[in-house]
Amino acid sequence: DTAVSQTPKYLVTQMGNDKSIKCEQNLGHDTMYWYKQDSKKFLKIMFSYNNKELIINETVPNRFSPKSPDKAHLNLHINSLELGDSAVYFCASSRRPKSYTFGSGTRLTVV
Amino acid sequence: RKEVEQDPGPFNVPEGATVAFNCTYSNSASQSFFWYRQDCRKEPKLLMSVYSSGNEDGRFTAQLNRASQYISLLIRDSKLSDSATYLCAVTTDSWGKFQFGAGTQVVVTP
Repeated sequence: DTAVSQTPKYLVTQMGNDKSIKCEQNLGHDTMYWYKQDSKKFLKIMFSYNNKELIINETVPNRFSPKSPDKAHLNLHINSLELGDSAVYFCASSRRPKSYTFGSGTRLTVV
Repeated sequence: RKEVEQDPGPFNVPEGATVAFNCTYSNSASQSFFWYRQDCRKEPKLLMSVYSSGNEDGRFTAQLNRASQYISLLIRDSKLSDSATYLCAVTTDSWGKFQFGAGTQVVVTP
């Protein structure tokens, strides 16, 4: 019944590894987002897809690559993880330009 | 200057008291405004939208001041369960790209 679900909830990995985070929404929304929340609690947009099309691509290292196989799914793949990538990553969905529904977050720790 | 700024707090509020805080935004073309609540180690959840004429939802009142470019949130009769971080969100485009403030922490004490 979860509206926006992300997996995994926690991810601890070593520098240099490649990892993926998955997100799925069952709300029928047309737009999905990835946000990063750093240690200062600042939520910053990374990417947005509308009906599988990339519409927002903020200044994010190209080690981060989003993929949207369909409008209900938006995954995030991160190559060559760095210490500075440690953060909480939130997936969200909306029916533009309405407010977001967030997933519960993925706490990524790079060691 | 950040696009959306909030006083980080914490605002320490006795139970039953009223607390109010603002969020300023820099882009005069901003169209939609929201308040979110985020509990510790949880995701942000929509508290309320902010309408031009101001709006109320129970003990919560939101106001928009376009001339001075800020929104406000007032919490009346504070409950212990109101302790959280309150994030404002502002959007300027129809793509739904939200700019969030860093949040205002509210701590309600018995």
